[in-house]
Amino acid sequence: SQTIHQWPATLVQPVGSPLSLECTVEGTSNPNLYWYRQAAGRGLQLLFYSVGIGQISSEVPQNLSASRPQDRQFILSSKKLLLSDSGFYLCAWSTGFDTEAFFGQGTRLTVV
Amino acid sequence: GESVGLHLPTLSVQEGDNSIINCAYSNSASDYFIWYKQESGKGPQFIIDIRSNMDKRQGQRVTVLLNKTVKHLSLQIAATQPGDSAVYFCAENRANAGGTSYGKLTFGQGTILTVHP
Repeated sequence: SQTIHQWPATLVQPVGSPLSLECTVEGTSNPNLYWYRQAAGRGLQLLFYSVGIGQISSEVPQNLSASRPQDRQFILSSKKLLLSDSGFYLCAWSTGFDTEAFFGQGTRLTVV
Repeated sequence: GESVGLHLPTLSVQEGDNSIINCAYSNSASDYFIWYKQESGKGPQFIIDIRSNMDKRQGQRVTVLLNKTVKHLSLQIAATQPGDSAVYFCAENRANAGGTSYGKLTFGQGTILTVHP
């Protein structure tokens, strides 16, 4: 069966520090991968998606970047965190363009 | 702009009652809809989906209804249980101008469902 792993679960980082969140998927190949952010009490906003290794599309302008160095690995990064980067970050995968997405357990990022 | 939204932000029900959570969408090009359940501190969990060529789909204790005429989506939960307490999101697979969505989902704001024993 397919599983998605996302870590760390929680993270507290100072303003101006770098960020690296990692997500890996097991049990499938060539998945579509997504990074979403969820503000408190809000829905999810799509940040990045990837349909293949090295292929990244950004949905909104921001202080973050994403990379996909391997087929089932998706990384969310920042060189210098801002207070506004705080939030709940969720990685997700899907097998196709018109199928459900499956989410990881999320990373709660607090920038202080 | 076009969006997916929910009519009610909170819903409180008694255990054993049926729950109905509503969602409105405005993009007539959307052809795939999903309901997710999110418990506190966790990622969203897939509940049920429906495509635009259907108007009803049933799962275990859940039913999704799609009314394309008024662009309305609802989730019905039968015999609601305390374990159903969570935030429920509808999500829309929105095709871009070229007709390919790449699986990108647009989420509504969410409805908080509270089930009282």
